[in-house]
Formats: sequence, structure tokens, C-alpha cells
Amino acid sequence: GAVVSQHPSRVICKSGTSVKIECRSLDFQATTMFWYRQFPKKSLMLMATSNEGSKATYEQGVEKDKFLINHASLTLSTLTVTSAHPEDSSFYICSASSHGVWEGREQYFGPGTRLTVT
Amino acid sequence: ILNVEQSPQSLHVQEGDSTNFTCSFPSSNFYALHWYRWETAKSPEALFVMTLNGDEKKKGRISATLNTKEGYSYLYIKGSQPEDSATYLCAPDRGSTLGRLYFGRGTQLTVWP
Repeated sequence: GAVVSQHPSRVICKSGTSVKIECRSLDFQATTMFWYRQFPKKSLMLMATSNEGSKATYEQGVEKDKFLINHASLTLSTLTVTSAHPEDSSFYICSASSHGVWEGREQYFGPGTRLTVT
Repeated sequence: ILNVEQSPQSLHVQEGDSTNFTCSFPSSNFYALHWYRWETAKSPEALFVMTLNGDEKKKGRISATLNTKEGYSYLYIKGSQPEDSATYLCAPDRGSTLGRLYFGRGTQLTVWP
């Protein structure tokens, strides 16, 4: 159990375009989903936290107008990188959690999306 | 954002060696400490969630201890195997309603056969 999928796994887009990444919890209802970004040789940097049906909470320094997050249902959250630029090229990974159901508040991670902006 | 330190940054050991690494975190407002294992081309996987000072958890050859008063946790691997090669991440949990985690940079373990 506790499987999280992410789509697409890789995407290449041109500078100035927008790209949407989907994160789905396949076998449980995720009350909260998290979006992380991994910079080269660095750990996972939390970008934002989203709860189903409410606005996402962004970490300091993360532009909410650039990284649009929608958590439309208990199994789906999307991250849209708007007007992407080469510096947005990175590895984006989501996780999902179901507090109160799973012991210890673990987060269950998707496989990640490699975004390359040309 | 929390100041989470993991050491060493990378570690290379021979198959059969035992190894350990450290996670240091602020001891204030502590709720839990999470350990994850991240193998190349796979998703990070939860190893342990530890809450009590002095707690020790074990999963197979991997175990972890926790000191909440001084703000550190050790992860031990006994008799390392090549399949243990991965990046091991820790993240303190301050018990926020959102459940946010702020990860350290991880320890990258390579076990040579």
C-alpha cells in the first residue's frame, strides 16, 4: 500500500511555456500533499504544502505565482510551472500523507519528475 | 526552515562492514524524527519515525537511536550489503498541523562488493 505516482517522469519544454506535473495517491486518500525540489548535490527542498480543497502553503522564497499548486481531490495534486525558464530546470518530487491513519505521519513519495527547460 | 545536519556527506564501505551516520537537528519543539532511504531511480522510502528520547528502532540490519535532548539521531547498518547503497535522509518533525518536513542533505552510502 501507500503508492504515489507522478506524471510525467521527464519533460522538456521551451522557455516561456508552462508545464503541469501530476501527483496521485493510488491506494489511499491523501489529506496533505507536499512538493519538493532537488537542486544538484543537495537535498529535498520543501516548496509547498497543499491540503485538499484549500490554498497551498508556500515556503519562504517560493513564488506562488510561478509554481501553481492545485489539490483538487484527496488523490490528486498538480504543480504547474508557469512561464518556465532554464533556471527552473530541476527534479521535482511530490509526497502524500494521511495524518491519523498511517502511524507516525510518514510521507509517501512519488518517483519524481525531471524538468528541463530549453 | 530548520538547520538539519547530516554527516558524513558520503561514505564508501566494503560489503560486510558495519557503518553509522549522524543526523543533528534543533532540539526545541521536537515532535518526531523521520529517516528515509532513497535509492537511485526509486522513490524515497520511509525507514523509521521516532518520537521518544532514548528510542531505538530496528528493521532488519538497520537500526536507529534518538536523543531528543541534545538533538541527534544515529543510523546504524550492520554487515552492509550492496543493496544498502542509497542516500539516507533525516528530517525532524515539529508536529505542525501540516506535517511539514525539512530534510537534511543526506548521507550517500556506497557499499562495494
